[in-house]
Amino acid sequence: QSVLTQPPSASGTPGQRVTISCSGSKSNIWSNYVYWYQFSGTAPKLLIYSTNQRPSGVPDRFSGSKSGTSASLAISGLRSEDEADYYCAAWDDSLSGMVFGGGTKVTVL
Amino acid sequence: QVQLQQSSPGLVKPSQTLSLTCAISGDSVSSNSAAWNWIRQSPSRGLEWLGRTYYRSKWYNDYAVSVKSRITINPDTSKNQFSLQLNSVTPEDTAVYYCARDSHGYNKAFDIWGQGTMVTVSS
Repeated sequence: QSVLTQPPSASGTPGQRVTISCSGSKSNIWSNYVYWYQFSGTAPKLLIYSTNQRPSGVPDRFSGSKSGTSASLAISGLRSEDEADYYCAAWDDSLSGMVFGGGTKVTVL
Repeated sequence: QVQLQQSSPGLVKPSQTLSLTCAISGDSVSSNSAAWNWIRQSPSRGLEWLGRTYYRSKWYNDYAVSVKSRITINPDTSKNQFSLQLNSVTPEDTAVYYCARDSHGYNKAFDIWGQGTMVTVSS
């Protein structure tokens, strides 16, 4: 199973705010940056790096945060095009490698 | 604009070697500020980072513990690409394989991804 734990699904109506959690441990989330990726059929897309930074071109509706061994991705002003699978990731010092969450499928109702 | 173009082997027999290449355009495999990664995704194992190669005055490799005994990632500077070899494959290695760049500018985030290649291990 995945090293980082995410809820399998989340949903909201257009315009709502959706939050996705990502739970890890001291050797990954607590110690290192968190990243968030969007998988929606084409090549995966980087949404958040360095825990809370957005690459250019990513709307400010997407935001990331971290507290202790947990992180979260918030999507505000939900839009139909946000329907996708979202994955968190972080470097793990014990495994000396990047680890991922199991993914959260976001549905826009 | 940086792009990664993956090869597509498709079907590999059990116990054989899986080989993939990732051609880079818009950047250099010898860049001092990037690393070149392989990642796979399967229903049973989820997303799994396999390893990377990078150049910092000399070549380095990092491999995931789960595949360390079977994996080789090599740069090819003449073709500006990098490759993945995974030996002794089993049906458990069936997955979509992605190549990806991580760069200093994004603090190890995978900012550029290939399109993905479905590899099936079956006799």
